[in-house]
Amino acid sequence: DQQVKQNSPSLSVQEGRISILNCDYTNSMFDYFLWYKKYPAEGPTFLISISSIKDKNEDGRFTVFLNKSAKHLSLHIVPSQPGDSAVYFCAASLDNTDKLIFGTGTRLQVFP
Amino acid sequence: DADVTQTPRNRITKTGKRIMLECSQTKGHDRMYWYRQDPGLGLRLIYYSFDVKDINKGEISDGYSVSRQAQAKFSLSLESAIPNQTALYFCATSDPGGAPNEQFFGPGTRLTVL
Repeated sequence: DQQVKQNSPSLSVQEGRISILNCDYTNSMFDYFLWYKKYPAEGPTFLISISSIKDKNEDGRFTVFLNKSAKHLSLHIVPSQPGDSAVYFCAASLDNTDKLIFGTGTRLQVFP
Repeated sequence: DADVTQTPRNRITKTGKRIMLECSQTKGHDRMYWYRQDPGLGLRLIYYSFDVKDINKGEISDGYSVSRQAQAKFSLSLESAIPNQTALYFCATSDPGGAPNEQFFGPGTRLTVL
């Protein structure tokens, strides 16, 4: 039973445009959501997070939106750059613990 | 730089063999984790430890065991490896006093069981 789902395995976006990566979850008790970025042959690295009490968090080119009623979050990257090409994982935690439940990942390719 | 390291980076072994994957960190974090990544399944938690005397099972602990030898070291063992344990394994750390829920990952160990 996948509690955190990323239904798009891949996404291709032109450089300079907006990239929107989506994530759905089933457990309304999740209290924190995170996005991780992973390059080949490296471990995931933390990108941005959002508490369940907020609906938006912004950090430079990266913005995460949370829609609790829809149990949906999205990561917006504006403008997209070739260096953003990577696999993006969303993750959720319960009861403010450090235990994370990951989605299956979306591979983003940003082309010139 | 404070870091999370994993050894070996790649390992090929045979069914039935015992194998140990090692993780070391210089971040000074108390909390450590082992995950496996399979294609189409994301990362799944195997075991985690919140301090040296604390060991907890994660989502998929069957067939695995761990040892927390020190704050900085957390080892994952496969007692008798089987082919469906072929995966990419990641160690991670976190600091309960740091950014909420943020974990720092090692570079991964690619394990193939023949």
